[in-house]
Amino acid sequence: SQTIHQWPATLVQPVGSPLSLECTVEGTSNPNLYWYRQAAGRGLQLLFYSVGIGQISSEVPQNLSASRPQDRQFILSSKKLLLSDSGFYLCAWISGGNTEAFFGQGTRLTVV
Amino acid sequence: AQSVSQHNHHVILSEAASLELGCNYSYGGTVNLFWYVQYPGQHLQLLLKYFSGDPLVKGIKGFEAEFIKSKFSFNLRKPSVQWSDTAEYFCAVELYGGSQGNLIFGKGTKLSVKP
Repeated sequence: SQTIHQWPATLVQPVGSPLSLECTVEGTSNPNLYWYRQAAGRGLQLLFYSVGIGQISSEVPQNLSASRPQDRQFILSSKKLLLSDSGFYLCAWISGGNTEAFFGQGTRLTVV
Repeated sequence: AQSVSQHNHHVILSEAASLELGCNYSYGGTVNLFWYVQYPGQHLQLLLKYFSGDPLVKGIKGFEAEFIKSKFSFNLRKPSVQWSDTAEYFCAVELYGGSQGNLIFGKGTKLSVKP
């Protein structure tokens, strides 16, 4: 069965520090992968999506970047975190067949 | 730009009350529609979905939703809520033929059911 792993679950980082959140998928090949941010009162905001290795589309201009170094790996990064980057980040895999989305456990990022 | 609107930020009901959560989207083309639910401390999970056919779709745990194309709406309903339905509910829209399965989510509605 397909599973999606996301880590770490919580993270506290100082302003100006780098960030790397990792997401991996098992049980499927060539998945479409997504990074969302869930902020209070703002719902789920799509940040990046990737349809294949090295293919990244950005939905919202921001202080973050994403990379897809392997078929089942999707990484969210920042060179210098801002206070406004605090939030809950979710990785998702969306199956092409029935378009159901499967979400990772999420990462609670607090920038201090 | 396409958007999804959920009208209620927080809904508080007593057990056995009926529930209707509103969802409207702004897109003139064909869409696939979803409701996702996030129970406290758990992952987001699919509640129900509509692709085509009967506009009244039934999901898990007694939930149903009706797609009204003329109103660009996909409201979620349940005749009698239970305390265990306390969760946050997200409406999502996929623009058919759009960005490779790009799901646009609403801001979510928090449902609190009082026992």
